[in-house]
Amino acid sequence: DAGVTQSPTHLIKTRGQQVTLRCSPKSGHDTVSWYQQALGQGPQFIFQYYEEEERQRGNFPDRFSGHQFPNYSSELNVNALLLGDSALYLCASSLGGGWSYNEQFFGPGTRLTVL
Amino acid sequence: GIQVEQSPPDLILQEGANSTLRCNFSDSVNNLQWFHQNPWGQLINLFYIPSGTKQNGRLSATTVATERYSLLYISSSQTTDSGVYFCAVRETSGSRLTFGEGTQLTVNP
Repeated sequence: DAGVTQSPTHLIKTRGQQVTLRCSPKSGHDTVSWYQQALGQGPQFIFQYYEEEERQRGNFPDRFSGHQFPNYSSELNVNALLLGDSALYLCASSLGGGWSYNEQFFGPGTRLTVL
Repeated sequence: GIQVEQSPPDLILQEGANSTLRCNFSDSVNNLQWFHQNPWGQLINLFYIPSGTKQNGRLSATTVATERYSLLYISSSQTTDSGVYFCAVRETSGSRLTFGEGTQLTVNP
């Protein structure tokens, strides 16, 4: 049973560039959430996708956008990168949409460094 | 939004000792999860425990939803237990998980 996978593992970009991160949910799951974890802090919710739509969004600017594909995989896009966007980006998958009580499972993360 | 507080922020133990980590939250929740984050950043699910008590080997957890807290117990700690432990909750009105700031556990041999 495949767990949540994310790619790439590490990424280095310069200020102003754009980046795309990818996530494949756990087998059987249909909901993907994205979180940003700055060094020394707990993860912060960015947004959640279910049925190919953004269902809920955290306190992040429009530079952060996403997409969910028919196979439930998801992408996180960040435009006009800032130094403060350097963080570990975590993808979580669950079943049943944003209003279910189901457990969330996390991928290994993508570590983004912005220079 | 909901506030999640974890204590203590840091904990240093000798191998074999027991410990209790606490998570307080400010509002009603319909989901509470405990995670262990390893040095590579992977969040490992420990417990899904919106209420009640569960045990898994040397670890156990209790959530008292009416009093808005959860406890994670680690018995006979091992060096491999080192890392950051996070509590995360989901409010009854939303779909996001809100995390605490974590407890950094160091177990020395």
